[in-house]
Amino acid sequence: GQNIDQPTEMTATEGAIVQINCTYQTSGFNGLFWYQQHAGEAPTFLSYNVLDGLEEKGRFSSFLSRSKGYSYLLLKELQMKDSASYLCAVTPYGQNFVFGPGTRLSVLP
Amino acid sequence: DAGVTQSPTHLIKTRGQHVTLRCSPISGHKSVSWYQQVLGQGPQFIFQYYEKEERGRGNFPDRFSARQFPNYSSELNVNALLLGDSALYLCASSSLDSSNQPQHFGDGTRLSIL
Repeated sequence: GQNIDQPTEMTATEGAIVQINCTYQTSGFNGLFWYQQHAGEAPTFLSYNVLDGLEEKGRFSSFLSRSKGYSYLLLKELQMKDSASYLCAVTPYGQNFVFGPGTRLSVLP
Repeated sequence: DAGVTQSPTHLIKTRGQHVTLRCSPISGHKSVSWYQQVLGQGPQFIFQYYEKEERGRGNFPDRFSARQFPNYSSELNVNALLLGDSALYLCASSSLDSSNQPQHFGDGTRLSIL
């Protein structure tokens, strides 16, 4: 089976940089996704990694290391609106999306 | 362009009843997936349909069923409701039947069982 771990909660200051980690145990997967979910709203797609390395999209970057079973989401120049839950998900071979428990990020002024 | 739309937005039922939740995917998207999200947890996969065929089923009891219509909209049915079925039910669509495609989520149906 798959097991995905993320920190439950994180706190950071407006304007700072925060790194949200995701570790997983799965025998193989197609890709790793990151989603943002504000309270009471739908998850929205942030980024997608297939190959090892860093994918950058504006203030958001995502990194993947398949050999280490590890990914992170990096948020730069934090804004208050970035307060949300961040979900890591993998797509194991022959299976559908498996989501982690999510990390609730609070951005303080 | 309209995103994924779900109805109803909120629903209150009692134990033993059944419920039907509806989802319309983004125009042009042929794949629809259903997820259950309990407060404080990530979404749990229930079903995926592509071109009206079931392509995946998560670890949920037979009380849960779904179908996809010719216009690619979908319904999720849950029978004999239990208190533990209280959750946010999310529908997501993607353009292809591929696990490399990002899923686009609707706002969900919040189901409360009394």
